[in-house]
Amino acid sequence: QSALTQPASVSGSPGQSITISCTGTSSDVGGYNYVSWYQQHPGKAPKLMIYEVSNRPSGVSTRFSGSKSGNTASLTISGLQAEDEADYSCTSYTTNITLPYVFGTGTKVTVL
Amino acid sequence: QVTLRESGPALVKPTQTLTLTCTFSGFSLSTSGMCVSWIRQPPGKALEWLARIDWDDDKYYSTSLKTRLTISKDTSKSQVVLTMTNVDPVDTATYYCARVTPVIKAFDSWGQGTLVTVSS
Repeated sequence: QSALTQPASVSGSPGQSITISCTGTSSDVGGYNYVSWYQQHPGKAPKLMIYEVSNRPSGVSTRFSGSKSGNTASLTISGLQAEDEADYSCTSYTTNITLPYVFGTGTKVTVL
Repeated sequence: QVTLRESGPALVKPTQTLTLTCTFSGFSLSTSGMCVSWIRQPPGKALEWLARIDWDDDKYYSTSLKTRLTISKDTSKSQVVLTMTNVDPVDTATYYCARVTPVIKAFDSWGQGTLVTVSS
């Protein structure tokens, strides 16, 4: 099972919107609505930002939203803020019972 | 409040067996649908899922590592243990444990991680 493909880096100015893609296959992203997104600041543990494609856990800013089309999921950050500068990773369930989860390659978000 | 904390050696020698313990609080692993996974992250690299144990003791392993991994739980101690045999320098990483609940089918709570270096 290959890792989900994400762009290595995405950047934007404060106040702008950016979108991070997460591309898989019909055996993972395209086959389930169990895509989640994680934010990770340097030296910190990942934090859940989006689950089941588009749901936000309690306490996560409404500036974060998720969607999916076919085999590609997306995370959009609107009204970009300095504190959003971090690494972002996606993950998905897979149809492979021996490898139920696959992570993305990770994206570094830079606030210019 | 849900917390998870990883513990284990910071340094292990190649070919040795690594044992990591995840001690958690704020939930029970005997609750239907509850799961705990181990995930690692080599320095500067992506997250990699390793193993999962479910409330009913079902276990799942990364295909590429399954011959080297064993996951177990002690519900009475609120602990999940991961052992990895025959470690190699490429196993150097921060190891995290994380929870999946029946309501939020994602890793909703994580430990702070423990850095394990494999070196002679």
